[in-house]
Amino acid sequence: RKEVEQDPGPFNVPEGATVAFNCTYSNSASQSFFWYRQDCRKEPKLLMSVYSSGNEDGRFTAQLNRASQYISLLIRDSKLSDSATYLCVVEAWGSNYKLTFGKGTLLTVNP
Amino acid sequence: DGGITQSPKYLFRKEGQNVTLSCEQNLNHDAMYWYRQDPGQGLRLIYYSQIVNDFQKGDIAEGYSVSREKKESFPLTVTSAQKNPTAFYLCASSGRYGTGELFFGEGSRLTVL
Repeated sequence: RKEVEQDPGPFNVPEGATVAFNCTYSNSASQSFFWYRQDCRKEPKLLMSVYSSGNEDGRFTAQLNRASQYISLLIRDSKLSDSATYLCVVEAWGSNYKLTFGKGTLLTVNP
Repeated sequence: DGGITQSPKYLFRKEGQNVTLSCEQNLNHDAMYWYRQDPGQGLRLIYYSQIVNDFQKGDIAEGYSVSREKKESFPLTVTSAQKNPTAFYLCASSGRYGTGELFFGEGSRLTVL
């Protein structure tokens, strides 16, 4: 099982749609979780951290299920500008705080 | 403006040549990292450094070397020993090791001809 596995995508959705990305991780010692966004041929940027209680930032909601080792990102009312690759990132304290990146899921929002 | 500067943005080299990618940050961050990204792949850690004059191998360090003589600088050398050097290289820094928030440079695209 890969350390961090994401929906392979790509996702093509119309503007205004709700889209959900899923991510699973294999290392039960993982302690911190993040979603990064990467635009085409650009560097990744932190979108949001994922907390055990779940967290919301505007149209974006992140959830964590430690028992199932599963993370999700929900985007509501998607905009054209949300088109990007979304990277699931996991940090395991036992491994010198190493961040492990998923391969990413490409989202294209169409007009 | 604070940030991370990578150079060059695009680089072509012939097989058998070493090449050095520059990474400079003015964020006063202690930790710096080098990642490699291939098409359709996640970022893979090459080397990281928590403090000046110290660095550690990541998952794919073979064929690469780094130095950390100054807090602001973390250059990466891609040596001729690296079998598949064509890739997108990303340098990053974080203010506190283990925070999960990495600040990335714009990347360097290396193509071996």
